[in-house]
Amino acid sequence: EAGVVQSPRYKIIEKKQPVAFWCNPISGHNTLYWYLQNLGQGPELLIRYENEEAVDDSQLPKDRFSAERLKGVDSTLKIQPAELGDSAVYLCASSVDSTYEQYFGPGTRLTVT
Amino acid sequence: DQQVKQNSPSLSVQEGRISILNCDYTNSMFDYFLWYKKYPAEGPTFLISISSIKDKNEDGRFTVFLNKSAKHLSLHIVPSQPGDSAVYFCAASAGRGGANNLFFGTGTRLTVIP
Repeated sequence: EAGVVQSPRYKIIEKKQPVAFWCNPISGHNTLYWYLQNLGQGPELLIRYENEEAVDDSQLPKDRFSAERLKGVDSTLKIQPAELGDSAVYLCASSVDSTYEQYFGPGTRLTVT
Repeated sequence: DQQVKQNSPSLSVQEGRISILNCDYTNSMFDYFLWYKKYPAEGPTFLISISSIKDKNEDGRFTVFLNKSAKHLSLHIVPSQPGDSAVYFCAASAGRGGANNLFFGTGTRLTVIP
Protein backbone atom coordinates (compact mmCIF):
# COMPACT_ATOMS: atom_id res chain seq x y z
CA GLU A 1 0.00 0.00 0.00
CA ALA A 2 1.41 3.38 -0.97
CA GLY A 3 1.90 5.85 1.84
CA VAL A 4 1.13 9.54 2.04
CA VAL A 5 2.97 11.36 -0.73
CA GLN A 6 4.14 14.92 -0.40
CA SER A 7 5.97 17.21 -2.79
CA PRO A 8 8.26 18.94 -2.98
CA ARG A 9 10.46 17.47 -0.25
CA TYR A 10 12.50 20.65 0.06
CA LYS A 11 11.82 24.23 -0.93
CA ILE A 12 13.90 27.35 -0.56
CA ILE A 13 12.29 30.69 -1.32
CA GLU A 14 12.87 34.34 -0.59
CA LYS A 15 10.54 36.12 1.80
CA LYS A 16 7.42 37.63 0.30
CA GLN A 17 7.32 34.93 -2.39
CA PRO A 18 4.43 32.47 -2.64
CA VAL A 19 4.86 28.73 -2.11
CA ALA A 20 2.61 25.70 -2.42
CA PHE A 21 2.80 22.19 -1.04
CA TRP A 22 0.99 19.15 -2.38
CA CYS A 23 -0.27 16.06 -0.58
CA ASN A 24 -1.75 12.81 -1.84
CA PRO A 25 -3.24 10.78 1.02
CA ILE A 26 -3.50 7.03 1.32
CA SER A 27 -6.23 5.69 -0.92
CA GLY A 28 -9.52 5.41 0.93
CA HIS A 29 -8.53 7.77 3.73
CA ASN A 30 -11.23 10.39 4.08
CA THR A 31 -9.55 12.54 6.71
CA LEU A 32 -6.56 14.67 5.79
CA TYR A 33 -4.44 16.83 8.07
CA TRP A 34 -1.81 19.51 7.54
CA TYR A 35 0.66 20.01 10.37
CA LEU A 36 3.44 22.49 10.98
CA GLN A 37 6.56 21.29 12.77
CA ASN A 38 9.10 23.80 13.97
CA LEU A 39 12.61 22.72 14.89
CA GLY A 40 12.66 20.92 18.24
CA GLN A 41 8.88 20.88 18.51
CA GLY A 42 6.11 18.41 17.90
CA PRO A 43 3.70 18.72 14.99
CA GLU A 44 0.93 21.30 15.39
CA LEU A 45 -2.31 21.01 13.47
CA LEU A 46 -3.04 23.67 10.87
CA ILE A 47 -6.17 22.26 9.25
CA ARG A 48 -8.20 19.06 9.11
CA TYR A 49 -10.40 17.93 6.24
CA GLU A 50 -13.20 15.40 6.29
CA ASN A 51 -13.52 14.57 2.61
CA GLU A 52 -13.51 17.97 0.90
CA GLU A 53 -14.78 19.91 3.92
CA ALA A 54 -12.38 21.80 6.18
CA VAL A 55 -13.83 20.88 9.57
CA ASP A 56 -11.14 22.53 11.69
CA ASP A 57 -9.03 25.40 10.42
CA SER A 58 -8.89 27.34 13.66
CA GLN A 59 -5.06 27.22 13.78
CA LEU A 60 -4.53 28.23 10.16
CA PRO A 61 -3.21 31.81 9.80
CA LYS A 62 -5.75 32.82 7.22
CA ASP A 63 -4.14 36.12 6.32
CA ARG A 64 -1.39 34.30 4.45
CA PHE A 65 -2.19 30.60 4.50
CA SER A 66 -4.82 28.84 2.42
CA ALA A 67 -5.64 25.22 1.72
CA GLU A 68 -7.92 23.25 -0.50
CA ARG A 69 -8.90 19.64 -1.02
CA LEU A 70 -10.75 19.41 -4.26
CA LYS A 71 -12.72 16.21 -4.87
CA GLY A 72 -11.82 15.03 -1.37
CA VAL A 73 -8.51 13.44 -2.35
CA ASP A 74 -5.37 15.50 -3.01
CA SER A 75 -4.74 18.67 -1.08
CA THR A 76 -2.61 21.77 -1.46
CA LEU A 77 -1.40 24.17 1.19
CA LYS A 78 -0.33 27.63 0.09
CA ILE A 79 1.51 30.47 1.76
CA GLN A 80 1.40 33.92 0.21
CA PRO A 81 3.48 35.85 1.01
CA ALA A 82 6.00 33.76 2.93
CA GLU A 83 7.76 35.19 5.96
CA LEU A 84 11.04 34.21 7.59
CA GLY A 85 9.15 32.64 10.50
CA ASP A 86 7.41 30.21 8.14
CA SER A 87 10.61 28.19 7.82
CA ALA A 88 9.60 24.76 9.14
CA VAL A 89 8.57 21.28 8.06
CA TYR A 90 5.03 20.98 6.74
CA LEU A 91 3.57 17.53 7.31
CA CYS A 92 0.53 15.98 5.71
CA ALA A 93 -1.25 13.04 7.33
CA SER A 94 -4.33 11.00 6.56
CA SER A 95 -6.55 8.56 8.39
CA VAL A 96 -9.62 6.44 7.90
CA ASP A 97 -12.71 7.91 9.55
CA SER A 98 -13.12 6.94 13.19
CA THR A 99 -9.54 5.95 13.95
CA TYR A 100 -6.69 7.90 15.39
CA GLU A 101 -3.98 6.17 13.48
CA GLN A 102 -2.81 9.05 11.40
CA TYR A 103 -0.29 8.14 8.72
CA PHE A 104 2.19 10.86 7.98
CA GLY A 105 3.98 11.78 4.80
CA PRO A 106 7.70 12.63 4.79
CA GLY A 107 7.02 16.35 4.97
CA THR A 108 8.19 19.39 3.04
CA ARG A 109 11.06 21.33 4.56
CA LEU A 110 10.57 25.01 3.77
CA THR A 111 13.38 27.53 4.15
CA VAL A 112 12.51 31.19 3.75
CA THR A 113 15.50 33.47 3.24
CA ASP B 1 0.46 26.45 26.56
CA GLN B 2 1.92 22.99 26.02
CA GLN B 3 -0.75 20.44 26.99
CA VAL B 4 1.52 17.45 26.35
CA LYS B 5 5.02 17.56 27.74
CA GLN B 6 8.07 15.42 27.23
CA ASN B 7 10.61 16.80 29.64
CA SER B 8 13.55 14.69 28.53
CA PRO B 9 14.84 15.89 25.17
CA SER B 10 17.22 12.93 24.89
CA LEU B 11 17.91 9.48 26.29
CA SER B 12 20.81 7.07 25.71
CA VAL B 13 20.51 3.36 26.46
CA GLN B 14 22.71 0.33 25.92
CA GLU B 15 21.52 -2.26 23.44
CA GLY B 16 19.52 -4.97 25.18
CA ARG B 17 18.52 -2.80 28.11
CA ILE B 18 15.16 -1.17 28.77
CA SER B 19 14.30 2.27 27.37
CA ILE B 20 11.70 4.29 29.29
CA LEU B 21 10.29 7.40 27.68
CA ASN B 22 8.00 9.63 29.72
CA CYS B 23 5.16 11.96 28.90
CA ASP B 24 2.93 14.21 31.03
CA TYR B 25 -0.29 15.94 30.08
CA THR B 26 -2.36 18.66 31.65
CA ASN B 27 -5.77 18.38 29.97
CA SER B 28 -8.01 16.04 31.98
CA MET B 29 -10.27 15.69 28.93
CA PHE B 30 -7.63 13.69 27.07
CA ASP B 31 -8.72 10.08 26.84
CA TYR B 32 -6.64 8.61 24.05
CA PHE B 33 -2.87 8.56 23.87
CA LEU B 34 -0.43 7.57 21.18
CA TRP B 35 3.28 7.23 20.61
CA TYR B 36 4.88 8.06 17.28
CA LYS B 37 8.41 7.32 16.17
CA LYS B 38 10.30 9.56 13.76
CA TYR B 39 13.46 8.92 11.78
CA PRO B 40 15.35 11.82 10.16
CA ALA B 41 13.81 13.11 6.93
CA GLU B 42 10.71 10.95 7.43
CA GLY B 43 7.27 11.65 8.82
CA PRO B 44 6.22 10.31 12.23
CA THR B 45 5.15 6.64 12.25
CA PHE B 46 2.42 5.37 14.56
CA LEU B 47 3.85 3.00 17.16
CA ILE B 48 1.32 2.18 19.88
CA SER B 49 -1.74 3.68 21.55
CA ILE B 50 -3.77 3.38 24.73
CA SER B 51 -7.28 4.35 25.71
CA SER B 52 -7.98 5.90 29.09
CA ILE B 53 -10.04 2.88 30.09
CA LYS B 54 -6.83 0.88 30.22
CA ASP B 55 -3.64 1.31 32.19
CA LYS B 56 -1.40 -0.84 30.01
CA ASN B 57 -1.11 -1.83 26.38
CA GLU B 58 1.55 -4.14 25.01
CA ASP B 59 2.73 -4.80 21.47
CA GLY B 60 5.81 -6.94 21.16
CA ARG B 61 8.78 -5.11 22.64
CA PHE B 62 6.71 -1.97 23.22
CA THR B 63 4.48 -1.34 26.24
CA VAL B 64 2.67 1.86 27.11
CA PHE B 65 1.59 2.53 30.68
CA LEU B 66 -1.02 5.13 31.64
CA ASN B 67 -1.42 6.66 35.10
CA LYS B 68 -4.52 8.82 34.85
CA SER B 69 -4.36 10.16 38.38
CA ALA B 70 -0.85 11.45 37.73
CA LYS B 71 -1.64 12.46 34.14
CA HIS B 72 1.42 10.52 33.09
CA LEU B 73 2.22 7.92 30.52
CA SER B 74 5.37 6.07 29.63
CA LEU B 75 6.67 3.94 26.79
CA HIS B 76 8.86 0.97 27.63
CA ILE B 77 11.00 -0.68 24.99
CA VAL B 78 12.48 -4.03 25.97
CA PRO B 79 15.00 -5.04 24.80
CA SER B 80 16.23 -1.90 23.10
CA GLN B 81 17.81 -2.29 19.68
CA PRO B 82 20.00 0.10 17.66
CA GLY B 83 17.18 0.40 15.10
CA ASP B 84 15.04 1.94 17.82
CA SER B 85 17.20 5.06 17.72
CA ALA B 86 14.81 7.82 16.67
CA VAL B 87 12.75 10.69 18.05
CA TYR B 88 9.66 9.56 19.93
CA PHE B 89 6.60 11.80 20.17
CA CYS B 90 3.80 11.40 22.67
CA ALA B 91 0.38 12.58 21.49
CA ALA B 92 -3.02 12.91 23.14
CA SER B 93 -6.61 13.58 22.16
CA ALA B 94 -9.98 14.18 23.73
CA GLY B 95 -12.46 11.73 22.24
CA ARG B 96 -12.07 8.99 19.64
CA GLY B 97 -13.41 8.84 16.17
CA GLY B 98 -11.20 11.28 14.38
CA ALA B 99 -13.39 14.11 15.55
CA ASN B 100 -10.78 15.59 17.83
CA ASN B 101 -7.29 16.72 17.16
CA LEU B 102 -3.99 15.31 18.36
CA PHE B 103 -1.73 17.34 20.60
CA PHE B 104 1.93 16.37 20.41
CA GLY B 105 4.78 16.67 22.86
CA THR B 106 8.15 18.06 21.86
CA GLY B 107 9.75 14.63 21.44
CA THR B 108 12.52 12.60 23.06
CA ARG B 109 15.54 11.55 21.02
CA LEU B 110 16.44 7.96 21.90
CA THR B 111 19.90 6.67 21.11
CA VAL B 112 20.53 2.95 21.55
CA ILE B 113 24.23 2.25 21.84
CA PRO B 114 25.41 -1.05 20.34
